[in-house]
Amino acid sequence: DSGVTQTPKHLITATGQRVTLRCSPRSGDLSVYWYQQSLDQGLQFLIQYYNGEERAKGNILERFSAQQFPDLHSELNLSSLELGDSALYFCASTPRLDGEQYFGPGTRLTVT
Amino acid sequence: AQSVAQPEDQVNVAEGNPLTVKCTYSVSGNPYLFWYVQYPNRGLQFLLKYITGDNLVKGSYGFEAEFNKSQTSFHLKKPSALVSDSALYFCAVRAPRSYNTDKLIFGTGTRLQVFP
Repeated sequence: DSGVTQTPKHLITATGQRVTLRCSPRSGDLSVYWYQQSLDQGLQFLIQYYNGEERAKGNILERFSAQQFPDLHSELNLSSLELGDSALYFCASTPRLDGEQYFGPGTRLTVT
Repeated sequence: AQSVAQPEDQVNVAEGNPLTVKCTYSVSGNPYLFWYVQYPNRGLQFLLKYITGDNLVKGSYGFEAEFNKSQTSFHLKKPSALVSDSALYFCAVRAPRSYNTDKLIFGTGTRLQVFP
C-alpha cells in the first residue's frame, strides 16, 4: 500500500457525461500528479499540482481539468466524455520534487 | 526532448535464472531514472531510482539497476528470478532539477514472464 488513495475504483459512464476522480496523497506530500494509462497511448502525464498551485501540464485535453484543495487532496474532472477517454487514471504524490512518486491504485474509467 | 525506450515488449525467463529488462533514455543533462512495477489491476510500485552516485542501484524485492552514461542505459536486473516477479515493468525518466517540470516520462513497458 503506497498510502495514496483514489476513489472510485471503477467508473462506468456514457459518452457526453462528466465525472470527477478523487485522489488523496500520502500524508505530508505536497505534490500531486495525474497520469492516464491506455492501451494505445501508454502512461501519459496529465497535470501536476504543488501545494494547491498548478506546476506542470502535460497531454491534458481541454475537456479535462484538475485542482488541488487546501487539504491537499486533488480532483480530476473529465467532461464531454468520449469513448477514447476510457483508461486507467492514476494519481501519484511525492514528498519532494526530485524524489520518487508513489502511485495510487487507479480509477478505471469506462465510457460506453 | 526527454524519452525512454524499452525495446522488448516481453521478456521470458525461467525461475532461478538471472533476468534483465532493458531501458535506454534520452535527456539533456543528468537524468533522474526510475523503475516501477505494475501487477494486474494494481497501481505502479516504485522499485528503485538513480539520481547520482554509484552506477549500480539496489532496490526493492532484490532488484538492481545499472546506470551506464556512455550507453544511455538503465537496465533492470535480478540475479535469480521468481515466478512472483511476473508483472509489467516500466522505466521512467525525469528531467534534471534545472528544468521547469518534474513529470515522469515512461517507457512503453516490458512484460516479464517467469516460468516455473
